[in-house]
Amino acid sequence: QKEVEQDPGPLSVPEGAIVSLNCTYSNSAFQYFMWYRQYSRKGPELLMYTYSSGNKEDGRFTAQVDKSSKYISLFIRDSQPSDSATYLCAMSIGSSNTGKLIFGQGTTLQVKP
Amino acid sequence: NAGVTQTPKFRILKIGQSMTLQCTQDMNHNYMYWYRQDPGMGLKLIYYSVGAGITDKGEVPNGYNVSRSTTEDFPLRLELAAPSQTSVYFCASTHRQARDNEQFFGPGTRLTVL
Repeated sequence: QKEVEQDPGPLSVPEGAIVSLNCTYSNSAFQYFMWYRQYSRKGPELLMYTYSSGNKEDGRFTAQVDKSSKYISLFIRDSQPSDSATYLCAMSIGSSNTGKLIFGQGTTLQVKP
Repeated sequence: NAGVTQTPKFRILKIGQSMTLQCTQDMNHNYMYWYRQDPGMGLKLIYYSVGAGITDKGEVPNGYNVSRSTTEDFPLRLELAAPSQTSVYFCASTHRQARDNEQFFGPGTRLTVL
């Protein structure tokens, strides 16, 4: 079993749809949960991060963490064609002596006008 | 700040050739990483470094070597290139004091081995 599982998609939705992206994980020591966005032929960039359980909202994006279920989600409201990208979840135990992140496989999202 | 820079952007190698992928960061980050990204496979850690003179293997180190002589630079060396090393390579860095370990990525090097 991989430490972090993410459905690779691809996921195709019409403009304006609500998008739900998800990851599951097995290591209960993870404390920091991140979503990176990667446009085609670019490096990943941090989109949102959440510490421990709960929700975090930033504009059209909401990140949710359910540590009891070892499940994290990213919701995109009113999706736009500019949201078309690969979304990677990432996790860490935080304050480690290596700074390593564990990444999911990434989900490719296409938002059609 | 330029952040994390990588050179070259693209490269085609023949089987058996060698090359060095360059990575430089100007954020005074202690930790640096090399990943490879294959289609639909996410990011796989090749090597990482927690400071100058200190490196360690990641998940997929075979066929690669690294060195870290300065805080800023973390080159990745491919010896005897093989078609299995065709991939996109990303360098990343983070600060030792960053509680969340957010990593900053370079733009990538797209390598093809024929």
